[in-house]
Amino acid sequence: DAGVIQSPRHEVTEMGQEVTLRCKPISGHDYLFWYRQTMMRGLELLIYFNNNVPIDDSGMPEDRFSAKMPNASFSTLKIQPSEPRDSAVYFCASSFGFLKGYTEAFFGQGTRLTVV
Amino acid sequence: EDQVTQSPEALRLQEGESSSLNCSYTVSGLRGLFWYRQDPGKGPEFLFTLYSAGEEKEKERLKATLTKKESFLHITAPKPEDSATYLCAVQGEYLRGSQGNLIFGKGTKLSVKP
Repeated sequence: DAGVIQSPRHEVTEMGQEVTLRCKPISGHDYLFWYRQTMMRGLELLIYFNNNVPIDDSGMPEDRFSAKMPNASFSTLKIQPSEPRDSAVYFCASSFGFLKGYTEAFFGQGTRLTVV
Repeated sequence: EDQVTQSPEALRLQEGESSSLNCSYTVSGLRGLFWYRQDPGKGPEFLFTLYSAGEEKEKERLKATLTKKESFLHITAPKPEDSATYLCAVQGEYLRGSQGNLIFGKGTKLSVKP
């Protein structure tokens, strides 16, 4: 398996524009996580899905952030409108049976977002 | 408040100089403690999971141990290729109003000089 695939790897956008980040989890995994990483706050969980259903979105910072998982092989994280403080590296991760068997999460390479 | 604190923030070692990284945690009902390695520009890479106090796991030059309050990542005779940021995360029973989300520490940046 190619692992968790994220796109784009880098995104530079202007304040106020819509940004969409994409993720393809590892085939067969039933949990998908979106994290944000900054120097100040480290890795923070934004939202996670189980079997395509959002379970906990309490980490989503504002209504400007939204995430979807239309099927088991694809998820998006959208920011609209984007602001400079959204600049960070966004990671997608997937896992199988995460809450049942304590299995590890596998991370993608991340999307480095810069909002100017 | 449930939290994970890693120390030191940065550690510089000479090749072959053994040392330990610390991860202190407070969590309601620990289900698992995870160690990850992160190289620059890449996502975290899983290393170990520890489930109960007294448990130990080893992989090459790395050994992870767990007590009821902290975990240590021991690095024996490190090599330059061990240079990376090492992240610790805990999975608790009832974090964030839901079950078992991973809470990460901010990591220890390890540099090993030849």
